[in-house]
Formats: sequence, structure tokens, C-alpha cells
Amino acid sequence: YVLTQPPSESVAPGQTARITCGGNNIGSKSVHWYQQKPGQAPVLVVYDDSDRPSGIPERFSGSNSGNTATLTISRVEAGDEADYYCQVWDTSSDHPYVFGTGTKVTVL
Amino acid sequence: EVQLVESGGGLVQPGGSLRLSCAASGLTFSSYEMNWVRQAPGKGLEWVSYISSGGTIYYADSVKGRFTISRDNAKNSLYLQMNSLRADDTAVYYCARDSPTSASLDYWGQGTLVTVSS
Repeated sequence: YVLTQPPSESVAPGQTARITCGGNNIGSKSVHWYQQKPGQAPVLVVYDDSDRPSGIPERFSGSNSGNTATLTISRVEAGDEADYYCQVWDTSSDHPYVFGTGTKVTVL
Repeated sequence: EVQLVESGGGLVQPGGSLRLSCAASGLTFSSYEMNWVRQAPGKGLEWVSYISSGGTIYYADSVKGRFTISRDNAKNSLYLQMNSLRADDTAVYYCARDSPTSASLDYWGQGTLVTVSS
């Protein structure tokens, strides 16, 4: 199962960033999103399409339908500059964890 | 507070072996599925291996037959035995915990760097 993300996304502070994750019928799966800043471990920011772990700002939201899942970051701040990865659990495979190709978000 | 601390990384020659460890604290380790995920320099995340609380194991095709995942619940530790190492195994290796409520990875260690080079 392949998850495709755009390599990069640029957004001005205060604007909205939308990061897509494409996969065949991804809407039938639960999608999770991770943020990774340089030199740091990934951090889960959205799970099960649209839920947020404790401590993650409400500015981070997600949606999932058809062949595309989307992570939305509202009111972007400089601290949101990072790489973002989507991930699904592929129940039909013995390679259960599948990560997307990653998107570098640059805050202008 | 959940903490995962990896160790065991370093420089190894092609064809060599290395054993990574992940020490867990702040959780009932035996109850959780655990994973190894790696990231080659400048590249994306790649899932490597999974072990359930009951011992079910999965591997990525890229490491199958060369890597072995294991756990010692008495020591709250996760391991990755890596044999026949190749240059393309060079990466930061993270251990990560399965969320108990979703198929996501909710806690990650800081990673340990493995460099395969002559």
C-alpha cells in the first residue's frame, strides 16, 4: 500500500496549511499524522483521521475521504515548520505500518 | 511519564552485526505492542519491525531474514538484532509504542544512529 504526499508546502504565518496524503481508498482506513522537527523524533499530532492527542493545539485538524486524507494547520506559526508524515495500518498485509513520503512545511 | 531510550547504535562494517536496545519506563511494558522505525539521512520514515504483547512479529521486506526483534518484559526492554548489515541500513533507529486505542505510534524514543561503512 502506497501513500503519496507532496514534497513541500509553503505557507505564510497566520494562514492555513493543507497537507494531503493520497492512497487507494484511503477513506476506508484510519489515518494518523506525525510532525518531525529537525533532529527530533516524530510526534503524533492527529490520530484516527481527526482526533488530537493531549497537548496538541486545536489548530491541527484532519479529514479523510475517498482517496485523500488531509492534515490542516490553521493560523500557522513559525514553530509549525517541520516535516509531516501520514501513516496507516494496512490490515491486509504483514507489513502493517505504512508511512507516507513526507511533506516539508516551510513557514515564509 | 512514558520514556523510551534507545542504545546500541554505532559504526559497523558492511556484513557486521549490531544489537539495539530500547529501555521503557512509565508504562506497563508487557501490555503494549512495540515497533522499530528507521530514518536514513535526509529521508523519510520507514517502519522496520513490530512485536505484539503476545509475540506476533512482522518485518519489513528490506530487513526480513537479517533482523530479529525481541522483547524482555521482565527488563522492560525491546531489542533489534541486526545481522548482515548493509550500507543502506544506515539510519537513525527509533523504538515506538503502539497506541492502545488506535493503530498509531503514540510514544517514540529519541533514536540511535547506526552507520554501516567500511
